[in-house]
Amino acid sequence: AQKITQTQPGMFVQEKEAVTLDCTYDTSDPSYGLFWYKQPSSGEMIFLIYQGSYDQQNATEGRYSLNFQKARKSANLVISASQLGDSAMYFCAMRVNTGNQFYFGTGTSLTVIP
Amino acid sequence: GAGVSQSPSNKVTEKGKDVELRCDPISGHTALYWYRQSLGQGLEFLIYFQGNSAPDKSGLPSDRFSAERTGGSVSTLTIQRTQQEDSAVYLCASSLELVHDEQFFGPGTRLTVL
Repeated sequence: AQKITQTQPGMFVQEKEAVTLDCTYDTSDPSYGLFWYKQPSSGEMIFLIYQGSYDQQNATEGRYSLNFQKARKSANLVISASQLGDSAMYFCAMRVNTGNQFYFGTGTSLTVIP
Repeated sequence: GAGVSQSPSNKVTEKGKDVELRCDPISGHTALYWYRQSLGQGLEFLIYFQGNSAPDKSGLPSDRFSAERTGGSVSTLTIQRTQQEDSAVYLCASSLELVHDEQFFGPGTRLTVL
């Protein structure tokens, strides 16, 4: 079975601090991609970062980095220097290349405190 | 350039009626995806198209749901004999190619079944 698990329904972080949002996944397919999306209160889904299962290096995009631990099947998102505008829902997702279906976690609500 | 657009933005219907939701992907994007997001939940993958073809329809919740895509562009998601549990936000996304990293999401259609 394919599954994405986000165990933190809500997180708080002080402005300018770093925060880690957890994501674990489960798949028997050796070829897959892992994604993080941000969904502000306005509702739009915004792509943040991607990690392929064969990528050797952890993905980074500006203040976002993905801590990819393949053996543990985890793909945690690290946001450095949090900003008030980072307050949103964050979804971890997985695309399994066989079948090309996407699986989303239930999300983590991040609140950045001034 | 124009992003993914969806119409209508809101739809209120009575139980038992049919509804049709429309998605206009970004021009040139060959892959198109439909998702459903219930209140406070993550995204549920429904179906994807590569061109006009939908290789896997197993994500559709029931046989009341169908989707088509014509001309490799516009897609419609049709729900027949709507039920109250169909109430959700229906999101459409497109990507340049099927295995491209980033999906661009539309604003969604909020469906309410009374």
